[in-house]
Order: sequence, then structure tokens, then C-alpha cells
Amino acid sequence: DQQVKQNSPSLSVQEGRISILNCDYTNSMFDYFLWYKKYPAEGPTFLISISSIKDKNEDGRFTVFLNKSAKHLSLHIVPSQPGDSAVYFCAASPKNYGGATNKLIFGTGTLLAVQP
Amino acid sequence: NAGVMQNPRHLVRRRGQEARLRCSPVKGHSHVYWYRQLPEEGLKFMVYLQKENIIDESGMPKERFSAEFPKEGPSILRIQQVVRGDSAAYFCASSPTAVFNTEAFFGQGTRLTVV
Repeated sequence: DQQVKQNSPSLSVQEGRISILNCDYTNSMFDYFLWYKKYPAEGPTFLISISSIKDKNEDGRFTVFLNKSAKHLSLHIVPSQPGDSAVYFCAASPKNYGGATNKLIFGTGTLLAVQP
Repeated sequence: NAGVMQNPRHLVRRRGQEARLRCSPVKGHSHVYWYRQLPEEGLKFMVYLQKENIIDESGMPKERFSAEFPKEGPSILRIQQVVRGDSAAYFCASSPTAVFNTEAFFGQGTRLTVV
């Protein structure tokens, strides 16, 4: 049962253009979402997050949008740079008692290739 | 990755042997999480530990797998009698609180290959 889905296994974008990575989820109890970036042979590194009470969070070139009614979030990278080439994972955090949570549910990842 | 150290980086084991994966969290972090990434899949939660306690092991296979986080020393993920299906990248993460959020950091992972 894949609760967090990234339906595009790969995406290729020209340098300077916008990259849009998509993520869908099925569990309405998720209340916190994170995006991680992963280079080969390295661990995931945190990129940006969003709480379910918001619909947008921006950090420099990275913006995450959340559409709760559609159970969909997206990561926008603009302008895209060759160094952004990596696998991007969407992750969701289920709400536990008291609001604390201790595990993430990850999507399968999208490989982004930014062409110079 | 902000100081989470995992070793070894690569581990090769024959079927039936034991694998021990070590994770030293960021200094001051007392919460440790283990995730597994099978080929072509996302990371899957295995276990969450605090010092000397297993808090949530709902993602851990019931047999052959165990984890500990002793008072002193690194967290250990132990896999007994490994099989080919255990081949995966195992990632450890640590955080200063019980909430896995922006303050949690992953290590570089241990890539286990069972031959």
C-alpha cells in the first residue's frame, strides 16, 4: 500500500527553466510534508518542508505547494541548475497523539536531470 | 550530512552470515531511526530508538532483524542469517527530539550486498 506516490520516475529539464516535481498521497492524516534530495552513494538531505495548515512555503529557488483537497504537493525549482540533478524524495509524516511524530513515509523518488 | 556516521559504507556478506551495521548519531541527538531502501524503491521506516529503548519497531521484519541503541556507543542494526533479499541500502537518521522534522539528519548509508 503505497501511501505516498511519485508517479514520474524521472524528469529532464534545461538549465534555467523550471523543474516541477509532483507527489500524491492517500492518507488524510498526514500533517507534515518534506522534500529530500539525494545524490548517488549519499544519504538524503533535507530540502524544504510544509505543514498541512499551509498551502505554500518558499525558500530561495525552492517552493513547495500543497493542495490538501487533491492530496497533492509539488516542488518547484526555479531557475534549475545542473547541480540540482539528483533524486528527489517526497515524504509525509503521520500525526500521532500530541502532534509528535517519529517516522516518515517516503515516495519512490524522481530522478531530476538538469541539462546545461 | 551534519555528522551522522554510519559504518561500514559497504558490506558484503554470504547467505547465512550475520551483518552488523553501526550508526553514530549527531552529538547530542538521542533519537535514532533506521530506514531501508530496496533497489528501485523509496526509503522504508524500520525502527525508532531512544537511548536504551526501542520506541517503534513496526517496520522491522519479525525475524532475523534486531536493533539496539545502548547507553554508550553507536546504534547497531543486526541482521542474522542474511538472505539475498536483504541486499539494500540501510540509512540511519538522528534527531534531537522525538519529532522527525527539519532537525533530523541522515547518514550516508551502508550498502549491504548478500552474495
